[in-house]
Amino acid sequence: DVKVTQSSRYLVKRTGEKVFLECVQDMDHENMFWYRQDPGLGLRLIYFSYDVKMKEKGDIPEGYSVSREKKERFSLILESASTNQTSMYLCASSPLSQGPSLNTDTQYFGPGTRLTVL
Amino acid sequence: GESVGLHLPTLSVQEGDNSIINCAYSNSASDYFIWYKQESGKGPQFIIDIRSNMDKRQGQRVTVLLNKTVKHLSLQIAATQPGDSAVYFCAEKYNQGGKLIFGQGTELSVKP
Repeated sequence: DVKVTQSSRYLVKRTGEKVFLECVQDMDHENMFWYRQDPGLGLRLIYFSYDVKMKEKGDIPEGYSVSREKKERFSLILESASTNQTSMYLCASSPLSQGPSLNTDTQYFGPGTRLTVL
Repeated sequence: GESVGLHLPTLSVQEGDNSIINCAYSNSASDYFIWYKQESGKGPQFIIDIRSNMDKRQGQRVTVLLNKTVKHLSLQIAATQPGDSAVYFCAEKYNQGGKLIFGQGTELSVKP
């Protein structure tokens, strides 16, 4: 079974703090993703990565950065946390897309980190 | 922009009945679709997927139907159980690279 783990289930931080959210997957997947999930807005893509040291902006990258130094680990960084970044953060991974085969585009999610910024 | 939407935000069914959750997608070039289940406080869990060259795919108690003519996707859950209570998301992919577009979700409530 694919396993995606996130470093914390709950985090409480203060405005202006630097926040690190860590994600690790154990299936040697090439792709990794960070989303935030808010009521009424669904899942929104922040950043994704196709390979080590590669990163691409998603739909809402402002206020965030990412790091992928190892294939299994993808970190989300809030340089200076703000109250509007209070949210559920979800990490996902998927193997490299291989065309018509099923299951190569499936994203597998971690349990989520609920971040509160005071 | 492209969007994936759900017809019903909430669905309440009796235990033992069949459930049908619907999803509309807007991009006719989408070639891959997934259904996820998300229980309260947890991350989305993969249920079933289907490619655009298929009309139907069955899993254990779940069936996904794809109607490309009207760009409609549905998830059928047979003999719905209390443990099926959750939010269900559909997602679509229409280009290479693995990015998915997610719908807003439908909350399924199962009454005992």
